Amino acid sequence: GQQVMQIPQYQHVQEGEDFTTYCNSSTTLSNIQWYKQRPGGHPVFLIQLVKSGEVKKQKRLTFQFGEAKKNSSLHITATQTTDVGTYFCAGRSYAGGTSYGKLTFGQGTILTVHP
Amino acid sequence: DTAVSQTPKYLVTQMGNDKSIKCEQNLGHDTMYWYKQDSKKFLKIMFSYNNKELIINETVPNRFSPKSPDKAHLNLHINSLELGDSAVYFCASSLEDRGTEAFFGQGTRLTVV
Repeated sequence: GQQVMQIPQYQHVQEGEDFTTYCNSSTTLSNIQWYKQRPGGHPVFLIQLVKSGEVKKQKRLTFQFGEAKKNSSLHITATQTTDVGTYFCAGRSYAGGTSYGKLTFGQGTILTVHP
Repeated sequence: DTAVSQTPKYLVTQMGNDKSIKCEQNLGHDTMYWYKQDSKKFLKIMFSYNNKELIINETVPNRFSPKSPDKAHLNLHINSLELGDSAVYFCASSLEDRGTEAFFGQGTRLTVV
């Protein structure tokens, strides 16, 4: 079945440092989504990437979708304490011509930012 | 207004009991999900319903039974609770099941003692 691997599992940074989390899928994805979960909170949608090689930016966050649509990354420039949380990628692929594709979450990267 | 609301927020119960978690969404979405998040933050899909029809049923023990009385509600009933069922359960919904974002509820922290 579809597997989505995400690394690293944990990342500790000093405020102001950059942060990157990587996502790899065992199958080609139709799209990939990124979510952020604050401590004690629930996952909140950040962005969706659909096209091969797509790059999207949201302020200090840069999201990339690989050319083969099997990997993705989230890069945060100059982290702030408000960036603390768990970042999940979630990939969707269609198998065997089924209409509905399952959204499979990566394991998440837990980011801590030291002031 | 809360888009996806689930109750209760916390649930502490003894092994062997039967419990239910309720979920309602007021977004007009067609698809609803139940996810289980373990202590290591891993989010695993359990069930997915589209317009009250079950479309995804992962390898989940038969003790877990979802029920969707209408497309705005997806409840989760758990029989004979076990220690390993302790986790945070998230309900979510999306407009349709083909690539739109999922909106998550606040989560229900289930503790089985």
